[in-house]
Amino acid sequence: AQSVAQPEDQVNVAEGNPLTVKCTYSVSGNPYLFWYVQYPNRGLQFLLKYITGDNLVKGSYGFEAEFNKSQTSFHLKKPSALVSDSALYFCAVRDQGRGNDMRFGAGTRLTVKP
Amino acid sequence: KAGVTQTPRYLIKTRGQQVTLSCSPISGHRSVSWYQQTPGQGLQFLFEYFSETQRNKGNFPGRFSGRQFSNSRSEMNVSTLELGDSALYLCASSPMGSSGASNEQFFGPGTRLTVL
Repeated sequence: AQSVAQPEDQVNVAEGNPLTVKCTYSVSGNPYLFWYVQYPNRGLQFLLKYITGDNLVKGSYGFEAEFNKSQTSFHLKKPSALVSDSALYFCAVRDQGRGNDMRFGAGTRLTVKP
Repeated sequence: KAGVTQTPRYLIKTRGQQVTLSCSPISGHRSVSWYQQTPGQGLQFLFEYFSETQRNKGNFPGRFSGRQFSNSRSEMNVSTLELGDSALYLCASSPMGSSGASNEQFFGPGTRLTVL
């Protein structure tokens, strides 16, 4: 079965600095990969996804993610962090050959300090 | 377009009771999935419905059940509530096409269930 690992429970960065939130995945086939963000007392909001093609995917709010097949990673990045980016970030994966069962990572709490 | 709506937003029940949560997907979305979110277990997949049929099921006991209506609205039911069922229950909908699995999901705000 597919699975996702987010190795960092917490990431702290200063405002204006670049940020990276890490994600690695495991699937038997080819992956569909997603990033979501969750603000307090809210549902998850879609940020970006990798389906196929260009390994660098650009999404909402200036976020981007790079798909690396050899390292089975899909790290989320932003060149310049904002305090308002502070939230809980989830990476998710579907195995292309196994229907719509989506598996989420445990989440990484990003804190951006002014 | 209106987003995914979930009712009620907050619910307090006691052990042994049962509860029904409701989800209205985005208009035109036919796939509805349910997740349980807790601090200790993270986001866990409960089940997915499409065209009134359960297509996928996570690893939860039979006390957790769901259904989907012809208008794509979905309900989930938890019977014989336990303290450990306290969680945020999230519903998500997605459009379905020939490559449905590549579609992102759109989440509702969740129902916060507290079991006393």
